[in-house]
Amino acid sequence: ELKVEQNPLFLSMQEGKNYTIYCNYSTTSDRLYWYRQDPGKSLESLFVLLSNGAVKQEGRLMASLDTKARLSTLHITAAVHDLSATYFCAVARNTDKLIFGTGTRLQVFP
Amino acid sequence: DTEVTQTPKHLVMGMTNKKSLKCEQHMGHRAMYWYKQKAKKPPELMFVYSYEKLSINESVPSRFSPECPNSSLLNLHLHALQPEDSALYLCASTPSAGGALPEQYFGPGTRLTVT
Repeated sequence: ELKVEQNPLFLSMQEGKNYTIYCNYSTTSDRLYWYRQDPGKSLESLFVLLSNGAVKQEGRLMASLDTKARLSTLHITAAVHDLSATYFCAVARNTDKLIFGTGTRLQVFP
Repeated sequence: DTEVTQTPKHLVMGMTNKKSLKCEQHMGHRAMYWYKQKAKKPPELMFVYSYEKLSINESVPSRFSPECPNSSLLNLHLHALQPEDSALYLCASTPSAGGALPEQYFGPGTRLTVT
């Protein structure tokens, strides 16, 4: 059974600081997704990582994928308040299913 | 049109009511999904429609009944729900089904409260 774990579950960080969210998954997959969710809102796609070694960056967020280690990271650089949200990674199982990680709730304070 | 729409945004229903949730996309996507999300939890897959046929049912209770009348529309019919069914219901779509799973596009969701 495919399991997807994130850590930390909750992250409180000061503006301007850097931090990394980790996403581990239990079985082979070469496709990983990162989503952002604001409270009471839907999921916003951030990154789709398609192959081993893939790295993508958008603004203060950078995501990477290591399929051999079954690990993806979401790195936050110089955090700002607007990044406060819950971040989910998700891994594709078979052809039609996404299995979501537990989520990381990020709070950025001044 | 590059979005998935869902109606209603909010729904309050009693345990004896029958109601329906609606999801629509006009991107030509051929796979559509229903997810259930409880507070502070990740989305959980309920159903997948691939080319208008039900391809995955994640052992969802029969009080939830999906329907895909055409390639653009997905409904979720609700009957005799329980208070624990209160959640955010999300619809998603992808360009194609089968093969490597492409990116899923999510709708804004319907917040359901069962009283």
